Amino acid sequence: QVQLVESGGGVVQPGGSLRLSCAASGFTFSNSAMNWVRQAPGKGLEWVAFIRYDGDKTYYADSVKGRFTISRDNPKNTLYLQLNGLRPEDTAVYYCAKDKFNWFDPWGQGTLVTVSS
Amino acid sequence: EIVLTQSPATLSLSLGEGATLSCRTSQSVSSYLAWYQQKPGQAPRLLIYDASNRATGIPARFSGSGSGTDFTLTISSLEPEDFAVYYCQQRSNWPLTFGGGTKVEIK
Repeated sequence: QVQLVESGGGVVQPGGSLRLSCAASGFTFSNSAMNWVRQAPGKGLEWVAFIRYDGDKTYYADSVKGRFTISRDNPKNTLYLQLNGLRPEDTAVYYCAKDKFNWFDPWGQGTLVTVSS
Repeated sequence: EIVLTQSPATLSLSLGEGATLSCRTSQSVSSYLAWYQQKPGQAPRLLIYDASNRATGIPARFSGSGSGTDFTLTISSLEPEDFAVYYCQQRSNWPLTFGGGTKVEIK
């Protein structure tokens, strides 16, 4: 079955950087577009970034554009999100999600990023 | 950016009752709307896509309807596992956006 396992979250100071990973299994990763979606504590869902199956097309939410970079390593079946210039408002659980015609299905269990001094 | 407004914010219902959740979009999204369910401490799960298609493994008591700017998620008879937060999402335009959620709680 499809499995998505995020890692790389943690506590980081404002202005700092972090790289999140999402290990995928149970499907042909190289054929699938992928997304990152985040959820601030006690808040709703916010789509963050999309990457096409071959990595040649990406889209970002305005709130992260220029600071976050989505990428993938298809031979390693791994999705990444590089977070730079972190702000307190970036504090959230970050989920990776398999793209199904721009729906999110399924989702990983998430990894928590806390931006605090 | 297309804004999605969900109502009500909270729905208090008893087991076996029906639930009707609303999602309104700031401009037409045709039928490009999905619904997700999220239980505490869990990742969201896709319930409905393209406004009315149930995702794999979703029980028939969940149904979606609507097009354009007004959409509805209906749960015909609430089971204990249905008490959760429900989000709508559009894929008509970038950026992909979600509604603020409706919490279905036990009365």
